[in-house]
Amino acid sequence: DGGITQSPKYLFRKEGQNVTLSCEQNLNHDAMYWYRQDPGQGLRLIYYSQIVNDFQKGDIAEGYSVSREKKESFPLTVTSAQKNPTAFYLCASSPNLGTGSYEQYFGPGTRLTVT
Amino acid sequence: QKEVEQDPGPLSVPEGAIVSLNCTYSNSAFQYFMWYRQYSRKGPELLMYTYSSGNKEDGRFTAQVDKSSKYISLFIRDSQPSDSATYLCAMSPGGTSYGKLTFGQGTILTVHP
Repeated sequence: DGGITQSPKYLFRKEGQNVTLSCEQNLNHDAMYWYRQDPGQGLRLIYYSQIVNDFQKGDIAEGYSVSREKKESFPLTVTSAQKNPTAFYLCASSPNLGTGSYEQYFGPGTRLTVT
Repeated sequence: QKEVEQDPGPLSVPEGAIVSLNCTYSNSAFQYFMWYRQYSRKGPELLMYTYSSGNKEDGRFTAQVDKSSKYISLFIRDSQPSDSATYLCAMSPGGTSYGKLTFGQGTILTVHP
């Protein structure tokens, strides 16, 4: 089965701790994305990556970091510098831009709660 | 003003009704348009993907794009309780945008039996 997996589904952390969210895809997609979703605010882009070892900041990158060491994997670290980390985090991927396809496919999400 | 505006609803309709969901946008460079369905506590699922103006039909779903008015719609015929979800519109200019999508806020739809 091809798809995007995110783990864990639910994550609880204490304030001041860094936490890493996992995202893996076996769709052979080049591009991967991280979004944050809060009630009533739609999806906001945190980071995105077009190729291995390269990534760019999205609209709300402050307090987050990513790496892209493998095509299949794009982990997101929520650092203690992120002021309001409690949210629903979504990972997505899309085909190689050379195909002219711009649609994105999403994973099931990770709900992070920081207290 | 947001680049993409979507009425958040909530929208409540009886089973069997025709549902119309809409988004307006301000960026005339948008050429690729998508509709996603998101069930509670799940990731969005791609429903429709269209390029430029026109209509696209897939089963009970029809997507319309009117670039001259900067307006897109999703119609759901014979709505079912299983259609109850949040519907998100998304769009991209393509080209050198590196696949970045701009999303609407989402419309919450409830179809009651």
